[in-house]
Amino acid sequence: GAGVSQSPRYKVAKRGQDVALRCDPISGHVSLFWYQQALGQGPEFLTYFQNEAQLDKSGLPSDRFFAERPEGSVSTLKIQRTQQEDSAVYLCASSLRGQGAWNTEAFFGQGTRLTVV
Amino acid sequence: GQQVMQIPQYQHVQEGEDFTTYCNSSTTLSNIQWYKQRPGGHPVFLIQLVKSGEVKKQKRLTFQFGEAKKNSSLHITATQTTDVGTYFCAKSSGAGSYQLTFGKGTKLSVIP
Repeated sequence: GAGVSQSPRYKVAKRGQDVALRCDPISGHVSLFWYQQALGQGPEFLTYFQNEAQLDKSGLPSDRFFAERPEGSVSTLKIQRTQQEDSAVYLCASSLRGQGAWNTEAFFGQGTRLTVV
Repeated sequence: GQQVMQIPQYQHVQEGEDFTTYCNSSTTLSNIQWYKQRPGGHPVFLIQLVKSGEVKKQKRLTFQFGEAKKNSSLHITATQTTDVGTYFCAKSSGAGSYQLTFGKGTKLSVIP
């Protein structure tokens, strides 16, 4: 596609509910990132994929958060037993190159705004 | 991880005035990237600076990377209402590093 696509754009979940957020990166992009952005803050790193391999999940806040990219393209971020502090915008980004190359620009999706009530 | 500090947090300017935001790190940076996020939008890449003392221009925007590679700035000349948004700097840990660490951003408001 022309850009990074995320769905849904908005999600309201009841506390305790599981949610799944989808990211379609730019075709051919090796790297895929998930970021969490709280209101008024900069994006905070959650996890990184190089193709299908999850090379870094150090930013995931708890074991309720799980991400996958099984075929090296589409990625899903799953949050189990959502809590109010999970409310944020979840941004997906992709970039052309993988680890080991100079950073190139990251292309961000529009994000999914998650509200846990 | 190591943070990048951005100042100011907010800036209100009259249309036509200049605007500058600063990004500072306590450690030497391998490179610095700048992003712009419009209200309700997503971060959009503006530029990457790599070399010590580098200066790059994009129309009314001027980006600088300090000689010590510990600070950077973005200067907008003669702001327009289309410049409204939050400007973020982001650093990576080093060559080959994939993880970007973002500053908290400077939110720019332009009064017409």
